[in-house]
Amino acid sequence: GDSVTQMEGPVTLSEEAFLTINCTYTATGYPSLFWYVQYPGEGLQLLLKATKADDKGSNKGFEATYRKETTSFHLEKGSVQVSDSAVYFCALHYGGATNKLIFGTGTLLAVQP
Amino acid sequence: DAGVIQSPRHEVTEMGQEVTLRCKPISGHDYLFWYRQTMMRGLELLIYFNNNVPIDDSGMPEDRFSAKMPNASFSTLKIQPSEPRDSAVYFCASSHREKGLEQYFGPGTRLTVT
Repeated sequence: GDSVTQMEGPVTLSEEAFLTINCTYTATGYPSLFWYVQYPGEGLQLLLKATKADDKGSNKGFEATYRKETTSFHLEKGSVQVSDSAVYFCALHYGGATNKLIFGTGTLLAVQP
Repeated sequence: DAGVIQSPRHEVTEMGQEVTLRCKPISGHDYLFWYRQTMMRGLELLIYFNNNVPIDDSGMPEDRFSAKMPNASFSTLKIQPSEPRDSAVYFCASSHREKGLEQYFGPGTRLTVT
């Protein structure tokens, strides 16, 4: 079945470091892909999305490119800040006539000053 | 828009008691999802509704859990009787099929069963 695999955390970086969080997926067809972010004590928020191959989603300095050939959607940011410390979830649309999403296990990012 | 509203934000109860969690989705959204998040199991989808009708409840852990959506602006998740292993953060999310696939999450209800 469809699934999402994320790199395990925690990822610990110093402020202004480059960030990559890996996400790969298994799916039939061409799913839509999402990154969500969860700050401490809050619900998940949509960070960015891409709906077809080679699309690049971007928001708040974060980017991810939908790579069909490698079935990947890696999250990147050129210079992280302490305020980026959160849990990041990769997700895909299940397909068909529902709005159900399949989420990865989440990756905790801790940015130190 | 006010976003997805959940109540209560925190609930502490004793084992065996009934617990009811409430959710108000974003106005106009036609999908509503209930999730549970724990350190051990991560984020789990419990049940989801489309136009107030339950579509998939395969994630509901036991018969002690039940969910209803009597109208487009309100849903409840009930646990009866509650057990300590039900302690978790419960999220409600909503989405609109025609406006994209992304889900909008509420702030969650932190449930502690002692």
